[in-house]
Amino acid sequence: QSVLTQPPSVSAAPGQKVTISCSGSSSNIGNNYVSWYQQLPGTAPKLLIYDNNKRPSGIPDRFSGSRSGTSATLGITGLQTGDEADYYCGTWDSSLSAWVFGGGTKLTVL
Amino acid sequence: EVQLVESGGGLVQPGGSLRLSCAASGFTVSSNYMSWVRQAPGKGLEWVSVIYSGGRKYYADSVKGRFIISRDNSRNTLYLQMNSLRVEDTAVYYCARGPPISQYYYYMDVWGKGTTVTVSS
Repeated sequence: QSVLTQPPSVSAAPGQKVTISCSGSSSNIGNNYVSWYQQLPGTAPKLLIYDNNKRPSGIPDRFSGSRSGTSATLGITGLQTGDEADYYCGTWDSSLSAWVFGGGTKLTVL
Repeated sequence: EVQLVESGGGLVQPGGSLRLSCAASGFTVSSNYMSWVRQAPGKGLEWVSVIYSGGRKYYADSVKGRFIISRDNSRNTLYLQMNSLRVEDTAVYYCARGPPISQYYYYMDVWGKGTTVTVSS
């Protein structure tokens, strides 16, 4: 059981938009910045969003992040088949003194 | 080029030990938070440990008392000493770089390709 809760799967058609939610508590998302990771099949995770809504160099603006209270959301617009991957949210948990990841969301582009 | 390369994985019996290494290039490990993250077969990401610049260390409850994170600044290398290994420690182990020490530990921006640890009799 992950400390951060994500939907197991989401799907949408090419060109459409999808959002992935990440729910936590005041000890993690509520008071610490959230980051998001993309893991393509058979590869290492890749940082997509950091500090709730910032994109590292090279990440297209189709990817966006937001935080409200104890929840965070990853948005992907203009879906491409190459976006099919597992997506994870993560942050520091101040009560656990540990990093926590969500359980991951598998994105299918139909 | 900033890069992390893990090594040291392999097959080990339950109760055995293994030391993983993560060689860094393009930056110095002492200047950033450095972490280990693992992924069991078919499962999600699980954070294992982090070492801060001042030497402070944190561990997941699942490995506390069994694993030790350390770094050698002269070799620019991060390590994970794994003792009393269990079948459930079987996973791909990734090394990951965190922010510079002047910031908070809020993301991991560079990841290695991982090294596989299999614990089985």
